[in-house]
Amino acid sequence: GQNIDQPTEMTATEGAIVQINCTYQTSGFNGLFWYQQHAGEAPTFLSYNVLDGLEEKGRFSSFLSRSKGYSYLLLKELQMKDSASYLCAVLDYGQNFVFGPGTRLSVLP
Amino acid sequence: DVKVTQSSRYLVKRTGEKVFLECVQDMDHENMFWYRQDPGLGLRLIYFSYDVKMKEKGDIPEGYSVSREKKERFSLILESASTNQTSMYLCASSFRLAGSDTQYFGPGTRLTVL
Repeated sequence: GQNIDQPTEMTATEGAIVQINCTYQTSGFNGLFWYQQHAGEAPTFLSYNVLDGLEEKGRFSSFLSRSKGYSYLLLKELQMKDSASYLCAVLDYGQNFVFGPGTRLSVLP
Repeated sequence: DVKVTQSSRYLVKRTGEKVFLECVQDMDHENMFWYRQDPGLGLRLIYFSYDVKMKEKGDIPEGYSVSREKKERFSLILESASTNQTSMYLCASSFRLAGSDTQYFGPGTRLTVL
């Protein structure tokens, strides 16, 4: 079966660093994506990992370990506008995107 | 600028009505998808299509059908709307072999069935 797990909610303080974890079990693996979704809006692409290791993009970094079925999204220097849901998704062999339930991040002043 | 558009942002229908949700993309993508998103359940795949006139069932196809007569357009049909189909519906598209290419999402349609 397909299963992706993420924490439901997280809270952090403005200026801090937060790590959002994602574990997955899917029928095949063609890459892992992270999306950001503000309330009432569509998800927007943040990052993509297909090889093990860390990908850095400004304040956001994403890490992948294929052997452990594990990824994390690291957000540095948190800003109020980072309050959103963060979705982890795996592209399986059937070219389907399997999504986790999303993690709602609240950034407090 | 890539674009996926959906016919309505908000829709209110009555139980038993036939509902059409339309999605159009201008990126020449082969793959198109329909999801529904509910609190605590995340995005769930209803149907997807890899090419014109082709369709595949996703995880929750019951109560829905789809139509893809042209490459750029993918329609979701609720034959007889029910209250448990009240949800946010998101359309997305991607290239056939997505690889590092992400899905692009439309703005969503919030459907309420009374």
